[in-house]
Amino acid sequence: QQQVKQSPQSLIVQKGGISIINCAYENTAFDYFPWYQQFPGKGPALLIAIRPDVSEKKEGRFTISFNKSAKQFSLHIMDSQPGDSATYFCAASIRDSSYKLIFGSGTRLLVRP
Amino acid sequence: KAGVTQTPRYLIKTRGQQVTLSCSPISGHRSVSWYQQTPGQGLQFLFEYFSETQRNKGNFPGRFSGRQFSNSRSEMNVSTLELGDSALYLCASSTTVNNEQFFGPGTRLTVL
Repeated sequence: QQQVKQSPQSLIVQKGGISIINCAYENTAFDYFPWYQQFPGKGPALLIAIRPDVSEKKEGRFTISFNKSAKQFSLHIMDSQPGDSATYFCAASIRDSSYKLIFGSGTRLLVRP
Repeated sequence: KAGVTQTPRYLIKTRGQQVTLSCSPISGHRSVSWYQQTPGQGLQFLFEYFSETQRNKGNFPGRFSGRQFSNSRSEMNVSTLELGDSALYLCASSTTVNNEQFFGPGTRLTVL
């Protein structure tokens, strides 16, 4: 119940295209859903996050879509650029007395020029 | 504002040794969490400290321990190292306002 399932494992997109990464969860107590971007040799960087009281959040070219009834959320990268090539992780946590994040397995994105 | 810093960045140890990793959170952040990242297991939560108290602990053996100091800096210790402990160890800090966690660059531990 603590798992977050992420797909696909890898993704190749042409420059200018839309990259879509999906995550699903079981635990309905999760109430915070961030996405992280990680480049080789670096720590994960917080991209964008959403709470279950909204269905969509957009920041620049990055959009999170959230479907509470389906217990799914996804990251859309519009106008994908070669510089977006990185590994993306979804995560979930419960706003309780600690900030433990449960991570998905990651998606390796390659944006071809 | 300076980000999360971790020292050292790289470590090579042999089986049976112990190791201490250090993390300095973003100024003003009182929560520090530690994660282990491996190709096989991904990112796994180790523990979280807030105001020098451990608030949560992941499913790791007792060889993994940590502490937090009054200035919010944190250390984690791994005793009796095993080959499987080779990983990137990441520290993240957070304010008390929300769950947003900001990660450091990590310490790459190699156990030979």
